[in-house]
Amino acid sequence: TQLLEQSPQFLSIQEGENLTVYCNSSSVFSSLQWYRQEPGEGPVLLVTVVTGGEVKKLKRLTFQFGDARKDSSLHITAAQPGDTGLYLCAGASDTGTYKYIFGTGTRLKVLA
Amino acid sequence: EPEVTQTPSHQVTQMGQEVILRCVPISNHLYFYWYRQILGQKVEFLVSFYNNEISEKSEIFDDQFSVERPDGSNFTLKIRSTKLEDSAMYFCASTWTSGGARDTQYFGPGTRLTVL
Repeated sequence: TQLLEQSPQFLSIQEGENLTVYCNSSSVFSSLQWYRQEPGEGPVLLVTVVTGGEVKKLKRLTFQFGDARKDSSLHITAAQPGDTGLYLCAGASDTGTYKYIFGTGTRLKVLA
Repeated sequence: EPEVTQTPSHQVTQMGQEVILRCVPISNHLYFYWYRQILGQKVEFLVSFYNNEISEKSEIFDDQFSVERPDGSNFTLKIRSTKLEDSAMYFCASTWTSGGARDTQYFGPGTRLTVL
């Protein structure tokens, strides 16, 4: 069974601080997605990483896919209150119909 | 920008009743999925659907669940006899191919199902 563990589960930081969220597995994924989810809404795609070692940047957000395609990280520089939310990683299973395996989520709160 | 839509946004039902959750995937997408998220828990895969048949289903997707694509645009999830533990957010997702590595699933806003 493929599992994705995210850490930390909860994070409360001050505006302007940097943070990193981790998404780890013992399984290999064909791709990995990062989503942000607001309460009562569906996950909204932030980025997809595909190649081992790949790094993608989205403004103040930097995403990295591990060399072995088993883990990923999300780094936020100079966090802002608008970054507050639930961050989810989801790995595309490399078997069957490529269903997504979701991580446990990291709830981020950025204080002004 | 194309998006996945779901109706209703919130469904309240009595235990034992049948419910149908509806989704309109992105128009040129071919693969469709249902996921659920129990309050405070992670998003879980239920079923995938392609070419008018189920491709894969999880152990959650038992005989009480069924999916259908009744026409060219809608994709439905039916729960035949709801249980209290079916209360959750249900998300529909679609993608163009199951190319896996380079295809991204786009999620709808969800339907909150409350079973009383």
